[in-house]
Amino acid sequence: AQSVAQPEDQVNVAEGNPLTVKCTYSVSGNPYLFWYVQYPNRGLQFLLKYITGDNLVKGSYGFEAEFNKSQTSFHLKKPSALVSDSALYFCAVRDDDMRFGAGTRLTVKP
Amino acid sequence: EAGVAQSPRYKIIEKRQSVAFWCNPISGHATLYWYQQILGQGPKLLIQFQNNGVVDDSQLPKDRFSAERLKGVDSTLKIQPAKLEDSAVYLCASPRGVDAGELFFGEGSRLTVL
Repeated sequence: AQSVAQPEDQVNVAEGNPLTVKCTYSVSGNPYLFWYVQYPNRGLQFLLKYITGDNLVKGSYGFEAEFNKSQTSFHLKKPSALVSDSALYFCAVRDDDMRFGAGTRLTVKP
Repeated sequence: EAGVAQSPRYKIIEKRQSVAFWCNPISGHATLYWYQQILGQGPKLLIQFQNNGVVDDSQLPKDRFSAERLKGVDSTLKIQPAKLEDSAVYLCASPRGVDAGELFFGEGSRLTVL
């Protein structure tokens, strides 16, 4: 069965600095990979996905993610963090169904 | 397009009581998912419907949880009797498009069991 791992519970960055939120995956076939963001008391919002094609995927709010097949990773990145990016971020993989990681809390400090 | 609607947003009950959550997915979408999100964890799939049929309910605690989607549109998730460990947010989701892959989530129903 497919799975994802988010090795960091918490990521802290200063506003204006680049940010990276890490994700590794395990899947038997071709991976369908996703990133979602969750703000307090809200549902999950889709950020971006990798299905096929370019390894660098661009998504909402200036986020992007890099698919690396050899390292089975799909790290989320943003060149310049905003305080408003502070939220919970979930990596997910879809095979038969959608499986989520445990989440990483991103805090961007002014 | 309208999103995924869920109600109630919040519910507080005592253990051994029952509760029901309602979901109306994106119009016309055959697939519907219920997820359980315990505080500090990622969402865990409880059940997947395709129209009014169950595709996957392997992680649904069937001794206390039940779900139905009678007409292939709205769905109800019920817990009876509730336990303290059922305190969580219950999320409903449906795919954005036929082959799009990503899911659209509702705002969720937060359950507190005392």
